[in-house]
Amino acid sequence: GQQLNQSPQSMFIQEGEDVSMNCTSSSIFNTWLWYKQDPGEGPVLLIALYKAGELTSNGRLTAQFGITRKDSFLNISASIPSDVGIYFCAGQLKSQGNLIFGKGTKLSVKP
Amino acid sequence: DGGITQSPKYLFRKEGQNVTLSCEQNLNHDAMYWYRQDPGQGLRLIYYSQIVNDFQKGDIAEGYSVSREKKESFPLTVTSAQKNPTAFYLCASSIEVPGVSGYTFGSGTRLTVV
Repeated sequence: GQQLNQSPQSMFIQEGEDVSMNCTSSSIFNTWLWYKQDPGEGPVLLIALYKAGELTSNGRLTAQFGITRKDSFLNISASIPSDVGIYFCAGQLKSQGNLIFGKGTKLSVKP
Repeated sequence: DGGITQSPKYLFRKEGQNVTLSCEQNLNHDAMYWYRQDPGQGLRLIYYSQIVNDFQKGDIAEGYSVSREKKESFPLTVTSAQKNPTAFYLCASSIEVPGVSGYTFGSGTRLTVV
């Protein structure tokens, strides 16, 4: 099936640092979504993006829908220990269909 | 509160046995999905259903079966034909197809074959 390339696979950072992760594809997407999964739980929606160039914030989180519609990034500012988890990007192709998920970025925060 | 409930949280199965994972939602969502999660593999789609009494295979349907007799329920059966069933299973639902407003996930079932 279609692939989303999410990077980095994992990050180890110090509390207070900013974090950036991104997803790219060779296909055009209509929608980009970012999820966070706490250990042993299901993913929870953080931010949804619907328009090319759209920049949306949710507290310390900021995400953008790339101008080319083939990428998106998520930034976390001033990380805290509860930011630990796996972050997934997900997108819906222009041609319709179910959401496609990236493989996730595992974030570890050292107090 | 509305939500999506998966049960049980942990499940142990002997090799050669079938086992059914429950997924119930009271969100009045039309679409429901089953994903399998393995370390480093992300979320892989097993089956999905857009409407009652209809469902479609996802990317890794072999060794699994589902039913959608009620809007609220989408159980997943892991059959003995599934060669490597140990994994974390996630159920999700969305208000519409194809779910551009996002999926709501359950808290998952961890299946271990012993």
